[in-house]
Amino acid sequence: SAVISQKPSRDICQRGTSLTIQCQVDSQVTMMFWYRQQPGQSLTLIATANQGSEATYESGFVIDKFPISRPNLTFSTLTVSNMSPEDSSIYLCSVGDSVNYGYTFGSGTRLTVV
Amino acid sequence: GQQVMQIPQYQHVQEGEDFTTYCNSSTTLSNIQWYKQRPGGHPVFLIQLVKSGEVKKQKRLTFQFGEAKKNSSLHITATQTTDVGTYFCAGPSSNTGKLIFGQGTTLQVKP
Repeated sequence: SAVISQKPSRDICQRGTSLTIQCQVDSQVTMMFWYRQQPGQSLTLIATANQGSEATYESGFVIDKFPISRPNLTFSTLTVSNMSPEDSSIYLCSVGDSVNYGYTFGSGTRLTVV
Repeated sequence: GQQVMQIPQYQHVQEGEDFTTYCNSSTTLSNIQWYKQRPGGHPVFLIQLVKSGEVKKQKRLTFQFGEAKKNSSLHITATQTTDVGTYFCAGPSSNTGKLIFGQGTTLQVKP
């Protein structure tokens, strides 16, 4: 299965600032997924990052708040913009596995907004 | 909208006891996936079930997909402290194909 390098692993940010999270995959993948996991909660899909086209956002998530880049088939970034304490969460990128059919996740970015 | 529900939310067991978590979907699923997330870690894919009534085993873990393909279960026999974590089921949305995760069951094992 794919190996994903995600960084930063954690950060503490001031409200009103922005943080960009990066994910690098060791193989080419068509779609990359960005999830949010609030403390003690399940995973919520933010958006699907497609190479060569705009990301597709899920209900409740907008591009102005969570801009995504997908410059090639192995890399994507998610920016959390104009942060507030409510954005404190774990952010995870993920790709599908065509062999085992499950999803592989990055190690996550633990974001605390103060 | 389509929902995937899991029970119980939490389970505390004594080491050596069995554990089961149940997953129910509001719609028929083409497949069901199970993930484990250790404390402080990220979700790790365990298995996918596709066929109605399918049963798969991984050592002490037994996964089952219901006949109607709307429910699933994960059973752990003789739990160990290494089984601690949150177990999530997930199924693809019938509209978009994207994974919808259940709320997860957090397992604590007392040695």
